[in-house]
Amino acid sequence: QKEVEQNSGPLSVPEGAIASLNCTYSDRGSQSFFWYRQYSGKSPELIMSIYSNGDKEDGRFTAQLNKASQYVSLLIRDSQPSDSATYLCAPCRGNYGQNFVFGPGTRLSVLP
Amino acid sequence: EAQVTQNPRYLITVTGKKLTVTCSQNMNHEYMSWYRQDPGLGLRQIYYSMNVEVTDKGDVPEGYKVSRKEKRNFPLILESPSPNQTSLYFCASKFRTGNGGEKLFFGSGTQLSVL
Repeated sequence: QKEVEQNSGPLSVPEGAIASLNCTYSDRGSQSFFWYRQYSGKSPELIMSIYSNGDKEDGRFTAQLNKASQYVSLLIRDSQPSDSATYLCAPCRGNYGQNFVFGPGTRLSVLP
Repeated sequence: EAQVTQNPRYLITVTGKKLTVTCSQNMNHEYMSWYRQDPGLGLRQIYYSMNVEVTDKGDVPEGYKVSRKEKRNFPLILESPSPNQTSLYFCASKFRTGNGGEKLFFGSGTQLSVL
């Protein structure tokens, strides 16, 4: 079992729809969780961070965390073509948050 | 402008020829790290540094060396590169946001090809 698993996609949604991205992780010691967006040929950029169970909203993005199920998700409302990218789930482990473990990423395509 | 600067952006080399990829950050961050990104495998941590003169192995350290002699620089050294080290490399530094969260700030990447 990989430490962080994501559906590779591509996940295709029409413009204006909700995109749902899922991630499971195996290390129960992970304390903080991050979603990064990566456009082709570019470096990852932080979208959301979440540290406690439940939902966290930031604009069109909502992160959901369930530590008991070792599951974290990202919802993108009102998806735009500019959201088309690969989304990386990254739990962080270690006593000092020193080890980010990235999932393989889910490729999202928002169709105009 | 706050940034993490990697050089070179592209590098083609031959097996066994020592090379160094430089990384520099101007944000006074204590934490820096190196990742490699390969299709289907995602980003994997090579080494990280919690502060000057403090470095530790990540998940895939074999074949790599790092040093942290000063806070702003964290070079990645391949003493004897091999073709399986052909990859896209990212350097990153980490800082704490105002609300207590953390954020990795990535460089632009170095595409390395070892022939």
